[in-house]
Amino acid sequence: EAQVTQNPRYLITVTGKKLTVTCSQNMNHEYMSWYRQDPGLGLRQIYYSMNVEVTDKGDVPEGYKVSRKEKRNFPLILESPSPNQTSLYFCASSPYRAPMNTEAFFGQGTRLTVV
Amino acid sequence: GENVEQHPSTLSVQEGDSAVIKCTYSDSASNYFPWYKQELGKRPQLIIDIRSNVGEKKDQRIAVTLNKTAKHFSLHITETQPEDSAVYFCAPGDNAGNMLTFGGGTRLMVKP
Repeated sequence: EAQVTQNPRYLITVTGKKLTVTCSQNMNHEYMSWYRQDPGLGLRQIYYSMNVEVTDKGDVPEGYKVSRKEKRNFPLILESPSPNQTSLYFCASSPYRAPMNTEAFFGQGTRLTVV
Repeated sequence: GENVEQHPSTLSVQEGDSAVIKCTYSDSASNYFPWYKQELGKRPQLIIDIRSNVGEKKDQRIAVTLNKTAKHFSLHITETQPEDSAVYFCAPGDNAGNMLTFGGGTRLMVKP
């Protein structure tokens, strides 16, 4: 089944403790991206990657890191999480190198709470 | 980057009525106009999209119309049902840009 898989689905952590949220897709998509969703603010792009070893900042990259060592995986890293990073996170992937005119496929979401 | 606005931010209709959500964008190069539906606790999923060489597209009870001159496109849902209750997002894009910009979302509530 074609899908985007995120793990974990839920995570509660403490301020400053490094964490990684994994994202994997099995559709051979070139483009992958991370979003955070906060009440009243919609979906905001954190980072994106157009291919292996190519990553770039989105609208809200501060406090986050990503890597794209393999085409299928695009982990989101929070080196020192803070409470303002409490949010719902989505990973998404799209085919082709021009992602803006094709459908985005989303993972199930990761609800992160930083205390 | 693209400025995207959706209106209204919330919409409450009676079951069976129609609902219309409008998305306004700023980039005249935009040529792809999708609508995503996000049910409570679920991921956003594409429900309908249109490309700039088409003015309207219909799929059963949902339709999207495009006005490229005025730079807006709209989602139309007819004969609304309770399962249409969700948040709807637009995300206009073009094949030259690298970022996907979503509208702020419209919460649709269909009252039985």
